[in-house]
Amino acid sequence: DAKTTQPNSMESNEEEPVHLPCNHSTISGTDYIHWYRQLPSQGPEYVIHGLTSNVNNRMASLAIAEDRKSSTLILHRATLRDAAVYYCILRRNSGNTPLVFGKGTRLSVIA
Amino acid sequence: DGGITQSPKYLFRKEGQNVTLSCEQNLNHDAMYWYRQDPGQGLRLIYYSQIVNDFQKGDIAEGYSVSREKKESFPLTVTSAQKNPTAFYLCASRKGGGGVDTQYFGPGTRLTVL
Repeated sequence: DAKTTQPNSMESNEEEPVHLPCNHSTISGTDYIHWYRQLPSQGPEYVIHGLTSNVNNRMASLAIAEDRKSSTLILHRATLRDAAVYYCILRRNSGNTPLVFGKGTRLSVIA
Repeated sequence: DGGITQSPKYLFRKEGQNVTLSCEQNLNHDAMYWYRQDPGQGLRLIYYSQIVNDFQKGDIAEGYSVSREKKESFPLTVTSAQKNPTAFYLCASRKGGGGVDTQYFGPGTRLTVL
């Protein structure tokens, strides 16, 4: 799987939007961009995924660059419960290959 | 409720003892995975299984063993050969192939070897 690069940590004030960046310059045409997050002492949970177009769901939005070499996870209004490690992962569109996790971005939310 | 169950949540063992971590899913998923997480680090793949009676080594399989006799179950044994077994262990499952499929995780088992 192609590699992703994320900042080690970010900080946000509560109730403000948060933009979490991810670079994936070696992405292939069949790679989906997935985001997971891991709350303290819990297993990761799925947040959102996309291929080429921007995506929205109840948890977040995903903005994908036109060349697909980068993406941004957007939390529209950060809450204290959003404090977690966020992982950006590329997934090839075939097979059951496991997710490959990097170190992710640790998001701190300040009240 | 459908989901993945891992038990126990906390496990303590003496050095030199084998220990088996349980992972059960009722999601009817074909693929199951075991990851290990050390403090401040990302997840590292230990073993995975795409179908019953078949499994593959991940990046850090040494000192671990698995079995997949039933679709619902994928137990992980941490053997005495694992040099540093204290870690947070996460089990996951996934229904099928393709880039759109999501992977579901259990709550994890925190193993401490004394």
